[in-house]
Amino acid sequence: AQTVTQSQPEMSVQEAETVTLSCTYDTSESDYYLFWYKQPPSRQMILVIRQEAYKQQNATENRFSVNFQKAAKSFSLKISDSQLGDAAMYFCAYRSSLTYSGGGADGLTFGKGTHLIIQP
Amino acid sequence: ETGVTQTPRHLVMGMTNKKSLKCEQHLGHNAMYWYKQSAKKPLELMFVYSLEERVENNSVPSRFSPECPNSSHLFLHLHTLQPEDSALYLCASSQVERGRGGYTFGSGTRLTVV
Repeated sequence: AQTVTQSQPEMSVQEAETVTLSCTYDTSESDYYLFWYKQPPSRQMILVIRQEAYKQQNATENRFSVNFQKAAKSFSLKISDSQLGDAAMYFCAYRSSLTYSGGGADGLTFGKGTHLIIQP
Repeated sequence: ETGVTQTPRHLVMGMTNKKSLKCEQHLGHNAMYWYKQSAKKPLELMFVYSLEERVENNSVPSRFSPECPNSSHLFLHLHTLQPEDSALYLCASSQVERGRGGYTFGSGTRLTVV
């Protein structure tokens, strides 16, 4: 079974600075998809960025970028020019087939999350 | 508004009550999911309906019962719950083919069992 590990329960960064959130995962698959989700106090899980494992180029979405190291099974999120609105829980997730499914169903496996605090 | 709507937003129920959580998606997705989010634990996938096929997760207690009458609606029926079932219950939808983007989540139902 796939596992996702986020080793930083909490991170703090000054507004306008850059912060990197770490994520590692364990899998025997060669083709898969990785995601970062943001969950603010409103509880809405918002997709921040996604990475396809077969693509060597790191994904980028405005101020958000990833450092995807497939051999090391590492998928970190870098937030540049941090803003107060970036404060939230951040979850790393892996999309995989469900081992208990006989068909094509899949599921997202999440890490425990990193609480990001933005200092004004 | 993300396209996935969950009701109610908050629910308090006694251990002998029967209640239902509702989820509705207007994104044309063909898979829907129930997740449980407890403090200090990763999100747990409870149930999946994929192409109208129900995928069982045998680790979920039978006091939780899902229902998916069509591809746009998903329910979670609750009965004789325990206090440890108190959590945020999140609904999500997606396209079943992997790689078609991530899941779209609702805002969740905060459930308290007393």
